[in-house]
Amino acid sequence: QQQVKQSPQSLIVQKGGISIINCAYENTAFDYFPWYQQFPGKGPALLIAIRPDVSEKKEGRFTISFNKSAKQFSLHIMDSQPGDSATYFCAASIRGSTLGRLYFGRGTQLTVWP
Amino acid sequence: DAGVIQSPRHEVTEMGQEVTLRCKPISGHNSLFWYRQTMMRGLELLIYFNNNVPIDDSGMPEDRFSAKMPNASFSTLKIQPSEPRDSAVYFCASSPWGPTDTQYFGPGTRLTVL
Repeated sequence: QQQVKQSPQSLIVQKGGISIINCAYENTAFDYFPWYQQFPGKGPALLIAIRPDVSEKKEGRFTISFNKSAKQFSLHIMDSQPGDSATYFCAASIRGSTLGRLYFGRGTQLTVWP
Repeated sequence: DAGVIQSPRHEVTEMGQEVTLRCKPISGHNSLFWYRQTMMRGLELLIYFNNNVPIDDSGMPEDRFSAKMPNASFSTLKIQPSEPRDSAVYFCASSPWGPTDTQYFGPGTRLTVL
């Protein structure tokens, strides 16, 4: 059973546009929601993360929006650039537990056309 | 500082052969993870070690897969015998404390089983 559901599977955006990737979860115990970015031929790397006590977190052109009641969170990439072309994974976990694990979404392949 | 080191980067083998993948985590990190990435199944956690002890191996697909961590600076993932359906990119990741910490991924090993 997929603990974190991610959509869309692929996304094509024109340079300068806004990229939006959505994720949903069921386990209300999750309290840490990171996003990982993976370039071709590389391993995933942490991009940005949010805790459920805030509804939004912004780092540069990247923003996470979090809706606790709907159990959804999303990544917005403003002014998308060709260099943002990568696969993006959302994830969720119960922070602070050595017995826990990070549950990844299936990933979204983003292509930004110049 | 060196990141997570994996070897080999590419492995091509024939069905039935034994395959050993190697990983050196970031020095000082207490947790190590093995993931498998395929188009069909996305990023799957295979096994997780904390302080060299296997904590969660529920993702290991079957008895053909085994993983060891003899010390804090080395881990292996072995497949014996290998099958074509094992073809995937295998990632090793490490984190400073536990699975809900930021995970630092290696470059991956692309395994092709003919």
